[in-house]
Amino acid sequence: GAVVSQHPSWVICKSGTSVKIECRSLDFQATTMFWYRQFPKQSLMLMATSNEGSKATYEQGVEKDKFLINHASLTLSTLTVTSAHPEDSSFYICSARAGGYVLTFGAGSRLTVL
Amino acid sequence: AQSVTQLGSHVSVSEGALVLLRCNYSSSVPPYLFWYVQYPNQGLQLLLKYTSAATLVKGINGFEAEFKKSETSFHLTKPSAHMSDAAEYFCAVSASTGGGNKLTFGTGTQLKVEL
Repeated sequence: GAVVSQHPSWVICKSGTSVKIECRSLDFQATTMFWYRQFPKQSLMLMATSNEGSKATYEQGVEKDKFLINHASLTLSTLTVTSAHPEDSSFYICSARAGGYVLTFGAGSRLTVL
Repeated sequence: AQSVTQLGSHVSVSEGALVLLRCNYSSSVPPYLFWYVQYPNQGLQLLLKYTSAATLVKGINGFEAEFKKSETSFHLTKPSAHMSDAAEYFCAVSASTGGGNKLTFGTGTQLKVEL
């Protein structure tokens, strides 16, 4: 079945530094990937739609200069949290469609900013 | 626009008892509906989906859900709960038109299974 891999699964960084999270589709090509953010005991909020070879589409209220998304190939999208602060600490999850209407989700990346 | 409402942020059942997790949706176009399960510190796993075929949908791990248009509901059920079912469950909706790319999630229901 379709597999989406995220790396790293856990990351701790100091305030002011930047962190990059990778999302890979392992056995299929994904022209579109989605990035979600999940706060503790809350639902997933769509942050942006990552489009291969073009700019990402950000949801209202999401700072595009803060959360840089690059989708350079059909199997890789990256989310970079720039100048991270403690309020950016969260669980970030990516997803992609292998086909049809079903999204396959990665295992998530937990970011803790000290 | 689409939205889902999950009634009950926490549900507790005894092992072997019926599981019922409620989901009501709102959609301006015919919806596609999904149930996902999330275990601690993990991503989401698809349990089942409704995409305008049979209204009673069977999924993995013995779960099923019934699409009821008149009630705008898509409740998730399992006849007999198992300890391994303890997790967070999310109902989600997407539009059946316009590519159906975006999923809108409910707030989730934490299922606890007791001995």
